[in-house]
Amino acid sequence: ELKVEQNPLFLSMQEGKNYTIYCNYSTTSDRLYWYRQDPGKSLESLFVLLSNGAVKQEGRLMASLDTKARLSTLHITAAVHDLSATYFCAVTLNAGNMLTFGGGTRLMVKP
Amino acid sequence: GAGVSQTPSNKVTEKGKYVELRCDPISGHTALYWYRQSLGQGPEFLIYFQGTGAADDSGLPNDRFFAVRPEGSVSTLKIQRTERGDSAVYLCASSLFPLSASSYNEQFFGPGTRLTVL
Repeated sequence: ELKVEQNPLFLSMQEGKNYTIYCNYSTTSDRLYWYRQDPGKSLESLFVLLSNGAVKQEGRLMASLDTKARLSTLHITAAVHDLSATYFCAVTLNAGNMLTFGGGTRLMVKP
Repeated sequence: GAGVSQTPSNKVTEKGKYVELRCDPISGHTALYWYRQSLGQGPEFLIYFQGTGAADDSGLPNDRFFAVRPEGSVSTLKIQRTERGDSAVYLCASSLFPLSASSYNEQFFGPGTRLTVL
């Protein structure tokens, strides 16, 4: 059974600070997704990571993937209030067609 | 173009009642997925359609849950004899192809239906 764990579950940080969210998964997967969810809203796709060592950046967010360690990180640089949301990582099993999600990291950026 | 749409946005029902939740995928997307998200948790997979057929229904919790996609586009999730534990946000997603068909494929999510069973 594929398990996906995120930590921390909750993160409160000041604007301008840096921090990293971690996503561990239990079995081999060929791709990893990061989503953002605002309160009461649906999921917005942020990144799709396809291979070992993959790194993608968009604005203040940077995601990376280490398939050997079964670990992905989402790094936040110089956080701003607009980044406050819940962030989910999700994984597919090789040749699978469904996403298995982590429990989410609720990020709160204080002005 | 239009994204994934779901109706109703909110549904309040009484224990034991029957409900139907509707999903309109992005036009041309062949794959459709239903997930359920309980408060404070990540979405959990329910069922996946490729075209008209349910290719994987391993996530449906029991036989009170059923979903159809008769013409390969719109899908309806049906819940019989609702229970309070069914209360959650039901999310629908679609993708152009099944996730396994292309590395660059991804799922696009609808706004969800918040189901409350009293």
